Amino acid sequence: GAGVSQSPRYKVTKRGQDVALRCDPISGHVSLYWYRQALGQGPEFLTYFNYEAQQDKSGLPNDRFSAERPEGSISTLTIQRTEQRDSAMYRCASSSSGGAGGLETQYFGPGTRLLVL
Amino acid sequence: AQSVTQLGSHVSVSEGALVLLRCNYSSSVPPYLFWYVQYPNQGLQLLLKYTSAATLVKGINGFEAEFKKSETSFHLTKPSAHMSDAAEYFCAVRNTGGFKTIFGAGTRLFVKA
Repeated sequence: GAGVSQSPRYKVTKRGQDVALRCDPISGHVSLYWYRQALGQGPEFLTYFNYEAQQDKSGLPNDRFSAERPEGSISTLTIQRTEQRDSAMYRCASSSSGGAGGLETQYFGPGTRLLVL
Repeated sequence: AQSVTQLGSHVSVSEGALVLLRCNYSSSVPPYLFWYVQYPNQGLQLLLKYTSAATLVKGINGFEAEFKKSETSFHLTKPSAHMSDAAEYFCAVRNTGGFKTIFGAGTRLFVKA
């Protein structure tokens, strides 16, 4: 596709429900990142994939959060038993190269705004 | 541990005036440094990045930033603000050889006519 897409763009759920957020990276991009952005803050790193391998999940806040990228393309971030404090913008980014390095440009999606009531 | 501090959550300038957005970083190893811009309802877009090739980095839309190791700073400047520059700007740091990018809290730029 032309850019990184995310769905849904908005999600309202009740406390205790599970949610799944989808990220469709730029075609052919090796690296995929998930971030969480609270209101008035910068993005906070959650996890990183190199193709289908989850190489860093140190930013996931607790075991209710998980992510997968089974075929090395689309990724899903799942939050189980949502809590009000999970309300935030969840952003996905992809880049063309893989591995640790830091030089490649990350292209960000528009985000999914999650509201937990 | 790495960290980024952006001084001033809001900056207001007149159209045509100098834009200066401040960023200080903390890193135990030589970092990569980035500035991103975020327009309403859009994803973050890379403005420029420092990767140790040159201390003065030029980016898109007339922005530039200078890496000053002695001051651990990477301030963003633009000589003449345009109304279209109104947006939120994020400074970020990443270790060479690392996966994790650490973002500052952001500075919202307002441009007055």
